[in-house]
Amino acid sequence: SQQGEEDPQALSIQEGENATMNCSYKTSINNLQWYRQNSGRGLVHLILIRSNEREKHSGRLRVTLDTSKKSSSLLITASRAADTASYFCATFYFGNEKLTFGTGTRLTIIP
Amino acid sequence: SAVISQKPSRDICQRGTSLTIQCQVDSQVTMMFWYRQQPGQSLTLIATANQGSEATYESGFVIDKFPISRPNLTFSTLTVSNMSPEDSSIYLCSVERGEKLFFGSGTQLSVL
Repeated sequence: SQQGEEDPQALSIQEGENATMNCSYKTSINNLQWYRQNSGRGLVHLILIRSNEREKHSGRLRVTLDTSKKSSSLLITASRAADTASYFCATFYFGNEKLTFGTGTRLTIIP
Repeated sequence: SAVISQKPSRDICQRGTSLTIQCQVDSQVTMMFWYRQQPGQSLTLIATANQGSEATYESGFVIDKFPISRPNLTFSTLTVSNMSPEDSSIYLCSVERGEKLFFGSGTQLSVL
């Protein structure tokens, strides 16, 4: 399977702390994306990083990409209770017209 | 961006029955995607629906079980046929805009 693996599967932190989650994938990609899912509902796109980029920021989000290690990380700084959700990485592979989603990290922010 | 209205949001169904899920997009799109998310799992693509042609199904999914309609460029339906408890999942439709996917709010299906 080309599905990405995310680590950790679940993460609980205190409000205000930073949260880091990781994604590993298996083959060369065109881009990698992160999505958030609240309470098993629809996913919301957070950020896209291309294979020729190493780091990208959006508000409190920071994404890194290491193509040599086939891995990416998502950092959420100064976490808030509203950040409680599941986070998925998704990869777009060369020659494949579809996004493939990772296994997800369930993040809980403790007030 | 894209706004997708998906319904029903949830349903509880009896074994052997069928449920049709609808998705309406706020503007025209070429392809619509249907995903399944089993409890505690990631998303798995069921099929890609193009207007005016048969849907393209992924390995492990067949048209008899998951028939899809795509009558125009803003609307699609997915039917889950002859349901069993193993079909209990969240079903999601999505569209692509600028390499990003936009999702409906999902249909949480429970089969008894």
